Amino acid sequence: GAGVSQSPSNKVTEKGKDVELRCDPISGHTALYWYRQSLGQGLEFLIYFQGNSAPDKSGLPSDRFSAERTGGSVSTLTIQRTQQEDSAVYLCASSLNSGRSDTQYFGPGTRLTVL
Amino acid sequence: GNSVTQMEGPVTLSEEAFLTINCTYTATGYPSLFWYVQYPGEGLQLLLKATKADDKGSNKGFEATYRKETTSFHLEKGSVQVSDSAVYFCALREITGGGNKLTFGTGTQLKVEL
Repeated sequence: GAGVSQSPSNKVTEKGKDVELRCDPISGHTALYWYRQSLGQGLEFLIYFQGNSAPDKSGLPSDRFSAERTGGSVSTLTIQRTQQEDSAVYLCASSLNSGRSDTQYFGPGTRLTVL
Repeated sequence: GNSVTQMEGPVTLSEEAFLTINCTYTATGYPSLFWYVQYPGEGLQLLLKATKADDKGSNKGFEATYRKETTSFHLEKGSVQVSDSAVYFCALREITGGGNKLTFGTGTQLKVEL
């Protein structure tokens, strides 16, 4: 079936604006993750959803960042009052379950540029 | 906390050369270990994984063995091709207290030349 999809593929915004990034996980995958890839910080975990459990938000860098997952499927990552340091590629991944050996499948990412 | 250390790149090799990319880790528990690859202009793809000590993951001619005694998971390939040019990420995953994230190394860029 289809892989993880993300939209938009590129987003350019002005400092101070809000942005929403969307992730469609692989159908049937119960776990969904957001990561950020930037030149200075490498690949960083942001947030993790598993079924109906409370999400693990331990990687969110500030309270400007939030995410939700509706109906156990599609997820939206929202960044409020964007700053230039938010510029990065935002990656979404999903896995069938949450076992320690479950493979996380990554989407192509959304490249965010904050001017 | 958990961390992954990879050798810095770029690594430049001639086609058919032997490849080793070193990876060591620090973990508070018993992690699973992964190598992901990112080809130019593409997303992250799982290359191989190992879930317990002495396991060997392999795929596309690449291999890595989970060495608990040396906390290492070095990536090797006997004969690289130009098409192997990419960035390689070592990662670990440990589930403690409900956490379930991948912790990545900084990535190693591999360039293979004719």
